[in-house]
Amino acid sequence: DAKTTQPTSMDCAEGRAANLPCNHSTISGNEYVYWYRQIHSQGPQYIIHGLKNNETNEMASLIITEDRKSSTLILPHATLRDTAVYYCIVRDTNSGGYQKVTFGTGTKLQVIP
Amino acid sequence: GAGVSQSPSNKVTEKGKDVELRCDPISGHTALYWYRQSLGQGLEFLIYFQGNSAPDKSGLPSDRFSAERTGGSVSTLTIQRTQQEDSAVYLCASSLGAWGGGYTFGSGTRLTVV
Repeated sequence: DAKTTQPTSMDCAEGRAANLPCNHSTISGNEYVYWYRQIHSQGPQYIIHGLKNNETNEMASLIITEDRKSSTLILPHATLRDTAVYYCIVRDTNSGGYQKVTFGTGTKLQVIP
Repeated sequence: GAGVSQSPSNKVTEKGKDVELRCDPISGHTALYWYRQSLGQGLEFLIYFQGNSAPDKSGLPSDRFSAERTGGSVSTLTIQRTQQEDSAVYLCASSLGAWGGGYTFGSGTRLTVV
């Protein structure tokens, strides 16, 4: 079973910030939140991950609530190339980084010109 | 190599035939995963290899599915007596040891069973 829930789809205007929410209310203290995206006909691509602090890299920002039960992936200036399915997963590194992760169906983000 | 390489990229096979799908992970990545993605569905875990440890095969859907990893590098997923419900994209991913900061996925093999 997927341990996260995400909206099925979202639209975002080109150039605007895309905010993708994820609920992970059963997350444990050892579990990180990971985000991946899958552009049509390609394998999933790693975006960002975090434990409890907010994270930022060249692709996106990750905001994790203080209780860690939800997070938001922010694409600050969405482009048409950001149209993809975005997956939020939790991953326990104390098991050696391995977990039988189920990615679920993710959020299909459509960036509109 | 620079990324995870999978071959073939597309495979059409007749029902009942056996198929082999290949994954060449990133050099030095000790962890290797196989996932399956049916049309419109999320990624379904199939099998995991970590170094010289016994693989976790608990995600394989039936005994028609098997996988091996030779020399800790290249992996082959074999599907025997293929069925139409086996049609999907089969994705391979690798990560650097037990804690690699994330998976790197290949582009997948699209299997169509007719």
